[in-house]
Amino acid sequence: ETGVTQSPTHLIKTRGQQVTLRCSSQSGHNTVSWYQQALGQGPQFIFQYYREEENGRGNFPPRFSGLQFPNYSSELNVNALELDDSALYLCASSLAGRSLMGGYTFGSGTRLTVV
Amino acid sequence: AQSVTQLDSQVPVFEEAPVELRCNYSSSVSVYLFWYVQYPNQGLQLLLKYLSGSTLVESINGFEAEFNKSQTSFHLRKPSVHISDTAEYFCAVTLSGNTGKLIFGQGTTLQVKP
Repeated sequence: ETGVTQSPTHLIKTRGQQVTLRCSSQSGHNTVSWYQQALGQGPQFIFQYYREEENGRGNFPPRFSGLQFPNYSSELNVNALELDDSALYLCASSLAGRSLMGGYTFGSGTRLTVV
Repeated sequence: AQSVTQLDSQVPVFEEAPVELRCNYSSSVSVYLFWYVQYPNQGLQLLLKYLSGSTLVESINGFEAEFNKSQTSFHLRKPSVHISDTAEYFCAVTLSGNTGKLIFGQGTTLQVKP
């Protein structure tokens, strides 16, 4: 198993800027989910992609968007950054069907700081 | 709406002592229940899960959790903890039949002291 790799590990951006976070899913996993984990909080579901299409979205504004590519990589894009966007962003991949049973492989996350 | 409440933000305990991390959930429909563990600077790892069947589920490293439908709880227990168990523990639910969206609790920091 190759695991889930996220890049960069740390990132500092200025309010109003745009950011792209990247995730390389575990080989063969066709489902990827993104979570936001604010300091001292549990992860919150942003959205999920299955076969390159959005397949469920949490309570996040449209300035949070994503892409999934055929090579199992994916991106999380955030426009017009706000201070409250500062958090750890986690990527989790799974095989469709196994995600229902908690069969996710999580990456180590990208720590985003907005100043 | 579904929600998960972890009743303790921090649980300090001495090595080899028993521990219980509490989790309650609210949902009007059937759910699947999970415990994830997060070690420093690492991603979340699935510790154990309840999908159906026996209400007592066990992990390979000595943790166990019991699903109690009447009390809507899924508490995590270990009879004797090790220093290496020090980590952040998250309880989570997902709706059966859903896309697999996980709803997490706020997390409990388990601090095992020598």
